[in-house]
Amino acid sequence: QSVLTQPPSVSAAPGQKVTISCSGSTSNIGKNFVSWYRQFPGTAPKLLIYDNKKRPPGIPDRFSGSKSGTSATLDITGIQTGDEADYYCGTWDSSLTANMVFGGGTKLTVL
Amino acid sequence: QVQLQESGPGLVKPSETLSLTCSVSGDSITSDYWSWIRQSPGKQLEWLGYFHYRGTTNYNPSLKSRLSISVDTSKKQFSLNLTSVTAADTAVYYCVRARNFDVFEIWGQGTRVTVSS
Repeated sequence: QSVLTQPPSVSAAPGQKVTISCSGSTSNIGKNFVSWYRQFPGTAPKLLIYDNKKRPPGIPDRFSGSKSGTSATLDITGIQTGDEADYYCGTWDSSLTANMVFGGGTKLTVL
Repeated sequence: QVQLQESGPGLVKPSETLSLTCSVSGDSITSDYWSWIRQSPGKQLEWLGYFHYRGTTNYNPSLKSRLSISVDTSKKQFSLNLTSVTAADTAVYYCVRARNFDVFEIWGQGTRVTVSS
Protein backbone atom coordinates (compact mmCIF):
# COMPACT_ATOMS: atom_id res chain seq x y z
CA GLN A 1 0.00 0.00 0.00
CA SER A 2 1.40 3.39 -1.04
CA VAL A 3 2.08 6.23 1.38
CA LEU A 4 0.65 8.67 -1.16
CA THR A 5 -2.83 8.01 -2.50
CA GLN A 6 -3.71 8.45 -6.16
CA PRO A 7 -6.84 7.37 -8.03
CA PRO A 8 -6.09 4.14 -9.92
CA SER A 9 -7.47 5.53 -13.14
CA VAL A 10 -8.82 8.61 -14.83
CA SER A 11 -10.12 9.14 -18.33
CA ALA A 12 -10.74 12.02 -20.69
CA ALA A 13 -11.54 12.67 -24.31
CA PRO A 14 -9.04 14.39 -26.59
CA GLY A 15 -8.95 18.11 -26.01
CA GLN A 16 -10.40 17.91 -22.52
CA LYS A 17 -8.72 18.56 -19.18
CA VAL A 18 -7.93 15.96 -16.56
CA THR A 19 -6.85 16.35 -12.94
CA ILE A 20 -4.89 13.68 -11.08
CA SER A 21 -4.82 13.97 -7.31
CA CYS A 22 -2.16 12.88 -4.85
CA SER A 23 -3.05 12.77 -1.18
CA GLY A 24 -0.53 12.51 1.63
CA SER A 25 0.03 13.74 5.15
CA THR A 26 1.72 16.46 7.18
CA SER A 27 5.00 14.53 7.23
CA ASN A 28 5.32 14.30 3.46
CA ILE A 29 3.31 16.52 1.10
CA GLY A 30 2.54 18.89 3.96
CA LYS A 31 6.25 19.62 4.45
CA ASN A 32 8.04 18.92 1.18
CA PHE A 33 7.99 19.54 -2.54
CA VAL A 34 6.05 17.22 -4.83
CA SER A 35 7.19 15.90 -8.18
CA TRP A 36 5.26 14.11 -10.92
CA TYR A 37 6.39 11.45 -13.38
CA ARG A 38 4.90 9.96 -16.52
CA GLN A 39 5.57 6.39 -17.58
CA PHE A 40 4.71 4.73 -20.87
CA PRO A 41 4.51 0.90 -20.93
CA GLY A 42 7.90 -0.72 -21.02
CA THR A 43 9.82 2.51 -20.47
CA ALA A 44 11.30 4.37 -17.53
CA PRO A 45 9.37 7.13 -15.75
CA LYS A 46 10.05 10.67 -16.92
CA LEU A 47 10.01 13.82 -14.82
CA LEU A 48 7.06 16.10 -15.64
CA ILE A 49 6.81 18.47 -12.68
CA TYR A 50 9.13 19.21 -9.77
CA ASP A 51 9.00 21.52 -6.75
CA ASN A 52 5.20 21.34 -6.90
CA LYS A 53 4.76 23.32 -10.10
CA LYS A 54 8.01 23.72 -12.05
CA ARG A 55 8.43 22.13 -15.46
CA PRO A 56 11.74 20.77 -16.74
CA PRO A 57 12.86 22.00 -20.16
CA GLY A 58 10.82 20.45 -22.94
CA ILE A 59 7.69 19.76 -20.91
CA PRO A 60 4.77 21.67 -22.46
CA ASP A 61 2.68 24.06 -20.41
CA ARG A 62 -0.30 21.74 -20.88
CA PHE A 63 1.09 20.07 -17.78
CA SER A 64 0.80 21.99 -14.53
CA GLY A 65 1.12 21.11 -10.87
CA SER A 66 -0.10 22.56 -7.63
CA LYS A 67 -0.10 21.78 -3.93
CA SER A 68 -2.40 22.70 -1.09
CA GLY A 69 -1.94 21.41 2.43
CA THR A 70 -1.39 17.67 2.29
CA SER A 71 -2.57 17.19 -1.30
CA ALA A 72 -1.14 17.86 -4.72
CA THR A 73 -2.64 17.81 -8.17
CA LEU A 74 -1.43 17.39 -11.71
CA ASP A 75 -3.53 19.07 -14.39
CA ILE A 76 -3.26 18.13 -18.03
CA THR A 77 -5.11 20.30 -20.51
CA GLY A 78 -5.71 19.70 -24.20
CA ILE A 79 -5.50 15.92 -23.71
CA GLN A 80 -3.88 14.06 -26.59
CA THR A 81 -3.89 10.36 -27.39
CA GLY A 82 -0.16 10.37 -26.67
CA ASP A 83 -0.84 11.33 -23.07
CA GLU A 84 -2.19 7.86 -22.30
CA ALA A 85 0.23 6.59 -19.66
CA ASP A 86 0.73 6.01 -15.95
CA TYR A 87 1.35 9.05 -13.77
CA TYR A 88 3.08 8.99 -10.39
CA CYS A 89 3.54 11.58 -7.67
CA GLY A 90 6.49 11.54 -5.29
CA THR A 91 7.81 13.46 -2.32
CA TRP A 92 10.11 13.15 0.66
CA ASP A 93 8.61 11.90 3.89
CA SER A 94 10.11 13.60 6.94
CA SER A 95 8.78 11.15 9.51
CA LEU A 96 11.09 9.16 11.83
CA THR A 97 11.67 6.72 8.96
CA ALA A 98 12.70 9.49 6.56
CA ASN A 99 12.24 8.20 3.06
CA MET A 100 11.27 9.09 -0.49
CA VAL A 101 7.69 7.97 -1.13
CA PHE A 102 5.56 7.58 -4.24
CA GLY A 103 1.91 7.25 -5.07
CA GLY A 104 0.55 4.03 -6.50
CA GLY A 105 0.16 5.56 -9.93
CA THR A 106 -2.81 6.68 -12.01
CA LYS A 107 -3.58 5.23 -15.41
CA LEU A 108 -4.79 7.93 -17.80
CA THR A 109 -7.00 6.58 -20.55
CA VAL A 110 -7.77 8.79 -23.52
CA LEU A 111 -11.26 7.99 -24.74
CA GLN B 1 23.14 14.41 -23.39
CA VAL B 2 23.25 12.53 -20.12
CA GLN B 3 22.61 8.81 -20.36
CA LEU B 4 22.51 6.11 -17.70
CA GLN B 5 22.72 2.40 -18.40
CA GLU B 6 22.16 -0.37 -15.88
CA SER B 7 23.91 -3.72 -16.10
CA GLY B 8 23.82 -6.88 -14.04
CA PRO B 9 22.33 -10.36 -13.79
CA GLY B 10 18.70 -10.83 -14.68
CA LEU B 11 18.32 -13.79 -12.35
CA VAL B 12 19.50 -14.10 -8.76
CA LYS B 13 18.96 -16.99 -6.37
CA PRO B 14 17.24 -16.45 -3.04
CA SER B 15 19.61 -15.55 -0.18
CA GLU B 16 22.31 -14.39 -2.62
CA THR B 17 23.52 -10.84 -3.27
CA LEU B 18 22.16 -8.73 -6.10
CA SER B 19 24.79 -6.49 -7.67
CA LEU B 20 23.97 -3.90 -10.32
CA THR B 21 26.10 -1.25 -11.97
CA CYS B 22 25.05 1.99 -13.63
CA SER B 23 27.31 3.56 -16.26
CA VAL B 24 27.03 7.30 -16.72
CA SER B 25 27.81 9.11 -19.95
CA GLY B 26 27.53 12.75 -20.89
CA ASP B 27 27.88 14.04 -17.35
CA SER B 28 30.32 14.20 -14.52
CA ILE B 29 29.60 11.80 -11.69
CA THR B 30 31.22 14.24 -9.26
CA SER B 31 27.98 16.15 -8.80
CA ASP B 32 24.36 15.51 -7.92
CA TYR B 33 22.77 12.51 -6.25
CA TRP B 34 23.07 9.07 -7.81
CA SER B 35 20.06 6.99 -6.89
CA TRP B 36 18.43 3.62 -7.32
CA ILE B 37 14.68 3.12 -7.63
CA ARG B 38 12.88 -0.12 -8.30
CA GLN B 39 9.45 -0.94 -9.63
CA SER B 40 7.66 -4.07 -8.56
CA PRO B 41 5.64 -6.25 -10.94
CA GLY B 42 2.59 -4.46 -9.53
CA LYS B 43 4.14 -1.20 -10.80
CA GLN B 44 4.76 0.35 -7.38
CA LEU B 45 7.82 2.60 -7.34
CA GLU B 46 10.17 2.19 -4.38
CA TRP B 47 13.13 4.45 -3.65
CA LEU B 48 16.17 2.45 -2.56
CA GLY B 49 18.72 5.12 -1.77
CA TYR B 50 21.36 7.49 -3.07
CA PHE B 51 25.05 8.25 -3.06
CA HIS B 52 25.95 11.93 -3.04
CA TYR B 53 29.16 12.89 -4.77
CA ARG B 54 30.54 14.33 -1.53
CA GLY B 55 30.50 10.82 -0.10
CA THR B 56 27.25 10.67 1.84
CA THR B 57 24.69 7.92 1.42
CA ASN B 58 21.06 7.62 2.42
CA TYR B 59 19.07 4.41 2.25
CA ASN B 60 15.45 3.38 2.44
CA PRO B 61 15.04 2.42 6.12
CA SER B 62 13.27 -0.81 5.18
CA LEU B 63 16.32 -1.96 3.19
CA LYS B 64 19.13 -0.26 5.07
CA SER B 65 20.50 -3.42 6.66
CA ARG B 66 20.85 -5.15 3.26
CA LEU B 67 21.72 -2.30 0.92
CA SER B 68 24.83 -0.43 -0.09
CA ILE B 69 25.41 2.08 -2.88
CA SER B 70 28.85 3.15 -4.00
CA VAL B 71 30.45 5.22 -6.74
CA ASP B 72 33.56 4.65 -8.84
CA THR B 73 34.38 8.07 -10.22
CA SER B 74 37.25 6.80 -12.35
CA LYS B 75 34.89 4.52 -14.25
CA LYS B 76 31.92 6.91 -14.08
CA GLN B 77 29.83 4.16 -12.55
CA PHE B 78 27.75 3.69 -9.45
CA SER B 79 26.67 0.41 -8.01
CA LEU B 80 24.04 -1.25 -5.88
CA ASN B 81 24.51 -4.29 -3.68
CA LEU B 82 21.49 -5.88 -2.05
CA THR B 83 22.18 -8.86 0.16
CA SER B 84 19.98 -11.81 1.18
CA VAL B 85 17.49 -11.30 -1.60
CA THR B 86 14.04 -12.88 -1.63
CA ALA B 87 11.25 -13.08 -4.17
CA ALA B 88 10.04 -9.72 -2.85
CA ASP B 89 13.14 -8.14 -4.41
CA THR B 90 11.99 -9.12 -7.90
CA ALA B 91 11.56 -5.85 -9.79
CA VAL B 92 12.80 -3.58 -12.52
CA TYR B 93 15.73 -1.62 -11.11
CA TYR B 94 16.43 1.90 -12.36
CA CYS B 95 19.50 4.01 -11.79
CA VAL B 96 18.65 7.69 -11.65
CA ARG B 97 20.39 11.04 -11.45
CA ALA B 98 18.60 13.19 -8.91
CA ARG B 99 18.56 16.91 -8.26
CA ASN B 100 18.38 17.80 -4.58
CA PHE B 101 17.97 14.04 -3.86
CA ASP B 102 14.19 14.18 -4.30
CA VAL B 103 13.76 15.11 -7.97
CA PHE B 104 14.57 12.27 -10.33
CA GLU B 105 15.69 13.95 -13.52
CA ILE B 106 17.45 11.35 -15.63
CA TRP B 107 16.56 7.65 -15.57
CA GLY B 108 18.26 4.64 -17.01
CA GLN B 109 16.18 2.31 -19.14
CA GLY B 110 15.88 -0.14 -16.25
CA THR B 111 16.99 -3.72 -15.80
CA ARG B 112 14.65 -6.53 -14.82
CA VAL B 113 15.82 -8.71 -11.95
CA THR B 114 14.07 -11.91 -10.94
CA VAL B 115 14.83 -13.67 -7.68
CA SER B 116 14.21 -17.37 -8.11
CA SER B 117 15.94 -20.67 -7.56
